[in-house]
Amino acid sequence: GAGVSQSPSNKVTEKGKDVELRCDPISGHTALYWYRQSLGQGLEFLIYFQGNSAPDKSGLPSDRFSAERTGGSVSTLTIQRTQQEDSAVYLCASSPRPPGLNTEAFFGQGTRLTVV
Amino acid sequence: GQNIDQPTEMTATEGAIVQINCTYQTSGFNGLFWYQQHAGEAPTFLSYNVLDGLEEKGRFSSFLSRSKGYSYLLLKELQMKDSASYLCAVTASGGSYIPTFGRGTSLIVHP
Repeated sequence: GAGVSQSPSNKVTEKGKDVELRCDPISGHTALYWYRQSLGQGLEFLIYFQGNSAPDKSGLPSDRFSAERTGGSVSTLTIQRTQQEDSAVYLCASSPRPPGLNTEAFFGQGTRLTVV
Repeated sequence: GQNIDQPTEMTATEGAIVQINCTYQTSGFNGLFWYQQHAGEAPTFLSYNVLDGLEEKGRFSSFLSRSKGYSYLLLKELQMKDSASYLCAVTASGGSYIPTFGRGTSLIVHP
């Protein structure tokens, strides 16, 4: 597609359930980022992929959070045993080059996760 | 770590000029981005500064002073559609060059 696509756009889940969020980056973009945006907060970095590997996963809040990327393309962010504090908008962004090279990130519209 | 500070909210009048400031403390500064985010939408890129000075792009300009750890986004001839959140993001060697975002400034433009 023309832009970064995320699915689902909205997800309501019960506390304790697992959820999977999907990101389809722009074709050919090697860098992929996951961020979390809570109400009134800035974008909180979660994890960065370069190709299929994750050189920086320092932002993952706990071991309930994991992510993978396959084929240098699609990425999934998995949250196990969801908690109410996980409620937020999860944004994915991709970029044609690694970070630090004057490279803007292109964002998807996000997945709004609500844990009830 | 990195610290980025922006005002939470600003209001301005249609047709006016508004300046949104961003201050940062970081190790190994590399560059600074400004993004615009309308409610419920994806952030979109506005500008990138790596050297000191003013970068102009139509109605929007962005300024950087590396020595002061300071940037601003200047919006001229404000339109109602400029009502949005404006996000300042910094890349630095201290953060592996991954963009670190401030909390954003919510700009409300009124008639």
